[in-house]
Amino acid sequence: KQEVTQIPAALSVPEGENLVLNCSFTDSAIYNLQWFRQDPGKGLTSLLLIQSSQREQTSGRLNASLDKSSGRSTLYIAASQPGDSATYLCAVITNTGNQFYFGTGTSLTVIP
Amino acid sequence: EPEVTQTPSHQVTQMGQEVILRCVPISNHLYFYWYRQILGQKVEFLVSFYNNEISEKSEIFDDQFSVERPDGSNFTLKIRSTKLEDSAMYFCASSLNTYEQFFGPGTRLTVL
Repeated sequence: KQEVTQIPAALSVPEGENLVLNCSFTDSAIYNLQWFRQDPGKGLTSLLLIQSSQREQTSGRLNASLDKSSGRSTLYIAASQPGDSATYLCAVITNTGNQFYFGTGTSLTVIP
Repeated sequence: EPEVTQTPSHQVTQMGQEVILRCVPISNHLYFYWYRQILGQKVEFLVSFYNNEISEKSEIFDDQFSVERPDGSNFTLKIRSTKLEDSAMYFCASSLNTYEQFFGPGTRLTVL
């Protein structure tokens, strides 16, 4: 069964700092990987989707990379802002199904 | 921009009661999903639905759960006899193909 792990569980940084969130998965036979943002008590906002054939995707200050063979993805956030404070979730879909397997998330706090 | 909507945003019920959670997927989407997130835990897959039938379900999705697409727009999750441990945030998602899922804002279910 696919297991998704995110490190660190929590991260606190001063405003303006660049940061990296990590995601690892046990089964490298993935169809795609998606990064989400979740604000407290709210739904899931899709940030970036990386297909298995891709190595990275960029959107504004966000860049996500994928190394399928090693079972890892990173989400890079440049010039962090207090509004980036949220929980960031990584999720993968394997080739054998269409369900997402989610990590437990990284809770990010950006201090003004 | 089209989005997935869910009603109600918060549902409170007594243990043993039946509840129906409602979702309106994005109109041209073909695949529909339910996930749940118990407070402080991972988002977990419950069921996927395609072509008017369940295509995949997790071990969580037992006989107490059912899904239905009663008309061309709604997608519902029914829990027949709620238990305390059913208290969670329930997310509906839809996709045009198995490529990218779009999530609704969630329904918070509280079982007393």
